[in-house]
Amino acid sequence: DTGVSQNPRHKITKRGQNVTFRCDPISEHNRLYWYRQTLGQGPEFLTYFQNEAQLEKSRLLSDRFSAERPKGSFSTLEIQRTEQGDSAMYLCASSLTSSDSPLHFGNGTRLTVT
Amino acid sequence: GQNIDQPTEMTATEGAIVQINCTYQTSGFNGLFWYQQHAGEAPTFLSYNVLDGLEEKGRFSSFLSRSKGYSYLLLKELQMKDSASYLCAVRPSGGSYIPTFGRGTSLIVHP
Repeated sequence: DTGVSQNPRHKITKRGQNVTFRCDPISEHNRLYWYRQTLGQGPEFLTYFQNEAQLEKSRLLSDRFSAERPKGSFSTLEIQRTEQGDSAMYLCASSLTSSDSPLHFGNGTRLTVT
Repeated sequence: GQNIDQPTEMTATEGAIVQINCTYQTSGFNGLFWYQQHAGEAPTFLSYNVLDGLEEKGRFSSFLSRSKGYSYLLLKELQMKDSASYLCAVRPSGGSYIPTFGRGTSLIVHP
């Protein structure tokens, strides 16, 4: 078990640019989640996959955000035309399907939009 | 929807016991998680309560009352390394089981 891996760890970009983050979940986990966290707040749900299917997206998720998990393994989260309000820690987590399976989080990608 | 409430910050002394409370309101409930998060790091899993009662894991215990919408995390023999944010998260019943997190309680342990 190598844990959930995210890269890059940090990303600084200028407003209006596109950014893409990658998440490699624990290999046997078929569920993958993206959350966003800002300072002093808990993680906020963005979207989730079961295998390659994106099954749920938060109503808060702007259409500038898109996520994929093409082969049911790693996932990417892309933000187009970034805004300063997108600055946050983007956390990826994975779990098994069972209802009592905990989420295992990666160390996150910290995005700063200048 | 879900509404989760926990104190923003708590302080305690090394060696002492601290109880971090979490109250929740939800339309469907499967269970409640507690996670620990050190600054700049990933949240790490501490416990998952489904049934009423107290579950103990070493220095950490977690309690759940489903009828009252209430949980607490009890930390004993506090150590400096326990200074962190403690996140309460509710997993709904049915559907996707996606946990909703509270804002976290920042615990500061001082000598």
